[in-house]
Formats: sequence, C-alpha cells, structure tokens
Amino acid sequence: QSALSQPPTASGSPGQSVTISCTGTSSDVGGHDHVSWYQQHPGKAPKLIIYEVTKRPSGVPDRFSGSKSGNTASLTVSGLQADDEADYYCFSYAASINFVHVVVGGGTKLTVL
Amino acid sequence: QVQLQESGPGLVKPSETLSLTCTVSGYSISSGYFCGWIRQPPGKGLEWIGSISHTGGIAYNPSLRSRVSMSVDTSKSQFSLMLSSVTAADTAVYYCARDQGGGANSDWGQGTLVTVSS
Repeated sequence: QSALSQPPTASGSPGQSVTISCTGTSSDVGGHDHVSWYQQHPGKAPKLIIYEVTKRPSGVPDRFSGSKSGNTASLTVSGLQADDEADYYCFSYAASINFVHVVVGGGTKLTVL
Repeated sequence: QVQLQESGPGLVKPSETLSLTCTVSGYSISSGYFCGWIRQPPGKGLEWIGSISHTGGIAYNPSLRSRVSMSVDTSKSQFSLMLSSVTAADTAVYYCARDQGGGANSDWGQGTLVTVSS
C-alpha cells in the first residue's frame, strides 16, 4: 500500500482536461512544497513534469500544471493529446521527528480515449 | 548533456547483497545535487529507496533502511547502492536519478533490471 493515494485510472478525450489527485497527510503533501509529478511511458524511465507543486522543468508543455490544497496535490493535463497516455506518479518530501524521506503515490494510468 | 548510467549484476541469489553503481556525466557530482535511487518491480509502481548527497548525507526509505547502504565516489563521479539479504520481492528495475532536492528527480538513468533468483 502506497503512502500517497492516487486514483488507479483516469481518462479523457483528445482536447479535454483531466485532473489526477495525490492525497497524503500533513507530514508530507500538506506540510511541504516539495511535491513532484512524473510521467512514465511503457518501458521508459519516468520523466519529471512538475516539481515544487507548481513548477515545470524546461521543455515540459504548459498543458501540464500542478496545484495543492491541504493534504492533496493535483496534476492537471489540459488539451489532452494521444502521447499523454502514460502512467503518472506523485512524490512528496516527508519529514518526521527523526528523519526525512520521500513518499510515493501508487500511480495513475491515464487513458486518452 | 546530463547522463546517468546504472551498472551491476542482473542476477542476484536470495540472501545475497545487490550492488549497483550509478555513473554520472554532464555535471559535477560535487555541485550540490543528490543522487536518488528508485526501483520498480515488474508491472508495479515506483518505490523510492533513498538518496545521497555528494558529501555523504543520506535519506532512506524507512521500510528498507535496515538493508540499504549508499556511498559516493566523487573522483569517479559514481554513486553506489547496496541492498542486503535480498529476496524475490527485491526483483525490480533499479533507477538512479539526479535529485535536485525534496525528491524532485530531474534526470534519470535508463534503469537496470535486477532479478533475485537461485
């Protein structure tokens, strides 16, 4: 069982928008701005698409956007394209009294209909 | 161009120690980035193993902490991962990645499949 909760599947038609949620606790998602999102196509390494909740690395289209409210972070993909069909994972920095680490969501398979 | 390359045995026997090396190029290993290790069992999701800084500072996944060790060799631009007492559950593709902080892994190696089997 993953520390962060993501819906296992999501879908949308080309041109539409879809939002994927990532729910944690006040010790991880809710307590820090170090939330990142990754896109992974089959057989490929993951690719960073959002970091620090809302920032996009160079080269990532602005169709990808991130946000956070309380203990839930969200990834929105606008103007869906066929190539957006992939698995998406959220990562979050997590801190407790004794140590820091990173927790990961179970992943969401996005299907473009 | 930043590149990371994992290397190590593709087959490890149960109860033995898995050892992998990540060789980086295109940036200085001493520039302040962390090296993250992440794995993915076949057909399953990603699991963060830990990360290490160029000065040796380490953060671990609490569930793996007792079996994981990591090191850095700045002279060779290499990071290393060791996972002891492996079982079939440790079979996975292992990735190293450049962690720019807080788990934001901006660059990834291609991954290497490690199978635990006798």
